[in-house]
Amino acid sequence: EVQLVESGGGLVQPGGSLRLSCAASGFTFSSYNMNWVRQAPGKGLEWISFISGSSSTIYYGDSVKGRFTVSRDNAKNSLFLHMNSLRAEDTAVYYCAKRLDDWGQGTLVTVSA
Amino acid sequence: DIVMTQTPLSSPVTLGQPASISCRSSQSLVHSDGNTYLSWLQQRPGQPPRLLIYQISNRFSGVPDRFSGSGAGTDFTLKISRVEAEDVGVYYCIQGTQFPRTFGQGTKVEIK
Repeated sequence: EVQLVESGGGLVQPGGSLRLSCAASGFTFSSYNMNWVRQAPGKGLEWISFISGSSSTIYYGDSVKGRFTVSRDNAKNSLFLHMNSLRAEDTAVYYCAKRLDDWGQGTLVTVSA
Repeated sequence: DIVMTQTPLSSPVTLGQPASISCRSSQSLVHSDGNTYLSWLQQRPGQPPRLLIYQISNRFSGVPDRFSGSGAGTDFTLKISRVEAEDVGVYYCIQGTQFPRTFGQGTKVEIK
């Protein structure tokens, strides 16, 4: 059974940093592209990052480009999202997704003073 | 960026009746490989999104056959043949043809 478990969310001040993790199991992690998608409170879904299985291809949404960095450790079946220069508008539930097939439960990031 | 526009944004439906959601893209979603990467996701209240349909019309594993997808180019439709109580939630289309990936605004399906 595919499992994706996000962690690392929490309350952070504007301008601060946070690292999210996504622990994957139940599939050959290195064979799959992964995405990060977020959802602000009461709002729709926003795609923010893609990383290929080998990490050779990476893309970001415009709203996070230059501030967020995606990475993965295939030996540890883990996906990461390093978030810098956080803003109030980054407040959201952050989901990791195996392609679009399977999704974690999400981790809440709140950016507030 | 490709803009995805869903209509309606809200769809009150009687149990057992059909529902239909439209998704229009600002440019063709036909990829250079010949495939069209248009997917539909369901998000039930308090739950993460769930993949229903990929590449326009392919139901994902475990998705009931009352869900169907159709369309081509820039116009796509998700249909629920007979709405059940468990279908309540928000439905999103997403294009996977080009980066950045873009979602529709979401359509809320609720029971009348």
